[in-house]
Amino acid sequence: NAGVTQTPKFRVLKTGQSMTLLCAQDMNHEYMYWYRQDPGMGLRLIHYSVGEGTTAKGEVPDGYNVSRLKKQNFLLGLESAAPSQTSVYFCASRRQKSGQFFGPGTRLTVL
Amino acid sequence: RKEVEQDPGPFNVPEGATVAFNCTYSNSASQSFFWYRQDCRKEPKLLMSVYSSGNEDGRFTAQLNRASQYISLLIRDSKLSDSATYLCVVNKEAGTALIFGKGTTLSVSS
Repeated sequence: NAGVTQTPKFRVLKTGQSMTLLCAQDMNHEYMYWYRQDPGMGLRLIHYSVGEGTTAKGEVPDGYNVSRLKKQNFLLGLESAAPSQTSVYFCASRRQKSGQFFGPGTRLTVL
Repeated sequence: RKEVEQDPGPFNVPEGATVAFNCTYSNSASQSFFWYRQDCRKEPKLLMSVYSSGNEDGRFTAQLNRASQYISLLIRDSKLSDSATYLCVVNKEAGTALIFGKGTTLSVSS
C-alpha cells in the first residue's frame, strides 16, 4: 500500500495563477482532509470531506476550493494564487474514530 | 480560549529523563483525542490515541481528564530519537474535523 500520496511535491506559482493539488489514498478511508502549515502557526484545517461527493469548510477555507468525486481522491484548488498562500500543504485520511494518516506534503511558493 | 492549546516549549532534556507535555481543549463535546509527532519538514505521524482510562505504549503514556478538558503525554527514559515536535489533536465537537495544537518541541541531548 502506498498510503497517502500527494502530487506535486513542490510548486512555484506567480500571483494570480491557478493550480490543483491532488491527494490520493489507497486505504479505503471515508474521511479526507487538507491542512496548511506555516511557521509558528501549526497545522490549520482548510477543508475536509466525510465521504465521496461531500465537502465541508475548516478553519481557513477562503481562497481554496475542494472536490471529492472519488472516494480515494481529494483535490485542493487555488483559483487565483496569492503570496499569503505560500505554505506547506498536507493531506490526510482516516477511518471513523481512528487517527489520521498524512501524505508527505506539497511545498508551494507563490511569488 | 483557543480550541487546542499546548505549551510550545522547547523542552530540553538529557537522555534518560522523563518529560511530560500538556494540552488543553476548549470544547467539552470533543470525543476523539490523539498525540502525533512531527520531525522537521516531515509529515505528522500518529503516535497514539488517547482513551478515557489512559493508555500506555512502551515508554509513552497518555492520559485524558474530561472534567478539566486536559490531555497529557508522558515520555519515560527519553532517547535522542524522541527529539521532535509533539502535536495534540482533538476532534471538533461531534463532527469529524480534527484540530491540531501548535505543538511542543522536545530536544533530547546526550
